[in-house]
Amino acid sequence: DAGVIQSPRHEVTEMGQEVTLRCKPISGHDYLFWYRQTMMRGLELLIYFNNNVPIDDSGMPEDRFSAKMPNASFSTLKIQPSEPRDSAVYFCASSLFGQREVLDTQYFGPGTRLTVL
Amino acid sequence: QKEVEQNSGPLSVPEGAIASLNCTYSDRGSQSFFWYRQYSGKSPELIMFIYSNGDKEDGRFTAQLNKASQYVSLLIRDSQPSDSATYLCAVPNVDSSYKLIFGSGTRLLVRP
Repeated sequence: DAGVIQSPRHEVTEMGQEVTLRCKPISGHDYLFWYRQTMMRGLELLIYFNNNVPIDDSGMPEDRFSAKMPNASFSTLKIQPSEPRDSAVYFCASSLFGQREVLDTQYFGPGTRLTVL
Repeated sequence: QKEVEQNSGPLSVPEGAIASLNCTYSDRGSQSFFWYRQYSGKSPELIMFIYSNGDKEDGRFTAQLNKASQYVSLLIRDSQPSDSATYLCAVPNVDSSYKLIFGSGTRLLVRP
């Protein structure tokens, strides 16, 4: 399996622009998570989906952030408009419902490093 | 008080020594605990999980859990330079076990 795939790997944009991050989870996994990692705040969960349905978006920082999962193999995280404080590494992770140990193992993608100038 | 706390380090140990990484958590209802390793510029990867009080061993890694004292630790025996990384402790949110709360991580440096 190719693992979790994220694109782009790096994104540099100017303040005010729209940014779209993409994620393809591991085939067959039914949970998908979006995280943000910064030096100041560490690794934070933004939102997670179960069977393509958003379950908890309480970590989404502002209305500027939105996430969708139109099907089991694709999710997007959009920031509009972007701000310099959004600069971070954004990770997507997926996991599979099943035995407890299996469920709790989240497999992370390589991340997207976002820089907003 | 942060929900999951770790010393940021760096923790520096010589090659071959035992590295001891600690994590404390605030919610007494927490039932499971995870250790992730993150190399610089890479994504986190799960290396250990533990549910029960006591020790759990996997190769050179041992996770120790003490629920009464609300701490979990990770011991790395015979440390290697390749173990140099940031180690993240994670605890599921009690209200929603699919939400992992991560500590800020401890940076480990193994000196050759």
